[in-house]
Amino acid sequence: GENVEQHPSTLSVQEGDSAVIKCTYSDSASNYFPWYKQELGKRPQLIIDIRSNVGEKKDQRIAVTLNKTAKHFSLHITETQPEDSAVYFCAAQYSLSGTYKYIFGTGTRLKVLA
Amino acid sequence: KAGVTQTPRYLIKTRGQQVTLSCSPISGHRSVSWYQQTPGQGLQFLFEYFSETQRNKGNFPGRFSGRQFSNSRSEMNVSTLELGDSALYLCASSHTGARDTEAFFGQGTRLTVV
Repeated sequence: GENVEQHPSTLSVQEGDSAVIKCTYSDSASNYFPWYKQELGKRPQLIIDIRSNVGEKKDQRIAVTLNKTAKHFSLHITETQPEDSAVYFCAAQYSLSGTYKYIFGTGTRLKVLA
Repeated sequence: KAGVTQTPRYLIKTRGQQVTLSCSPISGHRSVSWYQQTPGQGLQFLFEYFSETQRNKGNFPGRFSGRQFSNSRSEMNVSTLELGDSALYLCASSHTGARDTEAFFGQGTRLTVV
């Protein structure tokens, strides 16, 4: 069935270092892969997304890469700051009878140590 | 533009009771999805409604049900509550739920079953 695996579940980095979170999806027909950030006590918010016709996308310190052959996509955060501490969720959009739904990963709790 | 609004924010119920949660989507959004968030399980998809019809359903027991009204507001009902139903319930709305469309989350309803 549809599945998105996300690793690691927790990640601690020193301020200024880079952080990488990886996801693997099962449905090769998936074409849209958003990443959400959820700060403590707040709602998940979209931070970056990538579509299957693109291999990489950057937005300031955040980048996402997609390998459709391997069905992998990754979030890269450079020059991490304490405010990057949050839970990050990857997701893959699946098609079902002409409609679409998201399957989310289990989340990565990122801690940026000052 | 008002965001996605969920009510109530917090609920405490006892086992065996039933509960109804409400979600008001962003104005103009017709797709509403519901998710259960528990530590270690990430965001698990419950169901999606579009134009008052359930379009997609996750792997949850029949105790979990929902509906959508003509104004796109949605309710989720859980009957015969179990301790394991304690979780943060999030709804997300999007314009059509179509391919590549961003989902906007509400702040969630935290349900505690005692």
